Amino acid sequence: GAVVSQHPSRVICKSGTSVKIECRSLDFQATTMFWYRQFPKQSLMLMATSNEGSKATYEQGVEKDKFLINHASLTLSTLTVTSAHPEDSSFYICSARRGDNEQFFGPGTRLTVL
Amino acid sequence: GQNIDQPTEMTATEGAIVQINCTYQTSGFNGLFWYQQHAGEAPTFLSYNVLDGLEEKGRFSSFLSRSKGYSYLLLKELQMKDSASYLCAAMDSNYQLIWGAGTKLIIKP
Repeated sequence: GAVVSQHPSRVICKSGTSVKIECRSLDFQATTMFWYRQFPKQSLMLMATSNEGSKATYEQGVEKDKFLINHASLTLSTLTVTSAHPEDSSFYICSARRGDNEQFFGPGTRLTVL
Repeated sequence: GQNIDQPTEMTATEGAIVQINCTYQTSGFNGLFWYQQHAGEAPTFLSYNVLDGLEEKGRFSSFLSRSKGYSYLLLKELQMKDSASYLCAAMDSNYQLIWGAGTKLIIKP
């Protein structure tokens, strides 16, 4: 099966600091990776689509300068939350696409900003 | 616009059968997904339908009617561990997933 990992699984940081979250496809190459955010008791919300070797495409309302995405290779995408604030506290989930129709999710990263 | 509708919450009894419905409207269509999500965890893949009909996979089955923009997830022989949220997602013409809000399934003994 296809495995997607995320690191770290949990992070607590102070307001104003930056946090980097890594998403890796372990046994397949993913030209496209997606970053989602999920607030408690709500559905997944797509933040951005990350394509290897090109700039990420952000959804409306998502600040690209605040949520920096780098898809450095076919197996790695990173999301950096810059100058984090308490309202950025959320569950961040990445997924990697294999082929046209298969999408595999990472285990998620719970971010708490104090 | 693009839209996915599914019930917010359902309750069922251990050992019984439950059907979770989903209706969708998307720009183009490249399949319908069902995911299971336990609290605090990422979603896990359950099923994918792109052709009309019923796909059976163990205790879980998924049905699709493209003409009606309708799908359902059928769970048989319910177990307590099936208590989770079930997310319906339709893939549009750009191969992007459009997510429903999820159905919280509560299983009672």
